[in-house]
Amino acid sequence: DAGVIQSPRHEVTEMGQEVTLRCKPISGHNSLFWYRQTMMRGLELLIYFNNNVPIDDSGMPEDRFSAKMPNASFSTLKIQPSEPRDSAVYFCASTSWREGTDTQYFGPGTRLTVL
Amino acid sequence: GESVGLHLPTLSVQEGDNSIINCAYSNSASDYFIWYKQESGKGPQFIIDIRSNMDKRQGQRVTVLLNKTVKHLSLQIAATQPGDSAVYFCAENINSGGGADGLTFGKGTHLIIQP
Repeated sequence: DAGVIQSPRHEVTEMGQEVTLRCKPISGHNSLFWYRQTMMRGLELLIYFNNNVPIDDSGMPEDRFSAKMPNASFSTLKIQPSEPRDSAVYFCASTSWREGTDTQYFGPGTRLTVL
Repeated sequence: GESVGLHLPTLSVQEGDNSIINCAYSNSASDYFIWYKQESGKGPQFIIDIRSNMDKRQGQRVTVLLNKTVKHLSLQIAATQPGDSAVYFCAENINSGGGADGLTFGKGTHLIIQP
């Protein structure tokens, strides 16, 4: 089992640039989550999808953030334009709630630095 | 809003001793709780979970206790090993019954195993 795959692992960009983070959930999982981790705020839920449909995006900081899930095996989180305060580690997680479990499995994260 | 919080940010124990990490939650509607372990540079790793209809659950060297009366969750690690050094997070969610839901994470406790 390859686990949740995220790319890139590290991203350094300049303020104002567009950033796209990518996630491949565990095969067969039907729910996907995007979290952000910072020292100040800890781990925060940004948005999640069930069966490729966005369910709750109330955690998305502002309109600069957008997420898509065009199919069951791929999701993107886009920041446009990026700002220094977006610097954080972004995690993707997936689960299969059909199996009656809520256990979410996390990817290795993307460390984003906005200069 | 309601949130999950931890009592101690850092816990230092001698190798071989038992450790207890505590977590207080404030959302009485939460019915599912998870402990995650996060090592430096990695994503959160699932350790053990418990549903609100239980008050204790055991795994390999780990035990989770849930006290719904005082909204308290604890993680006990027996015979700690150097590899147990990490940040431990508790997380909670509410099973809405309509699919998976996002997790609310505590701030984390840094467990340090002294040789």
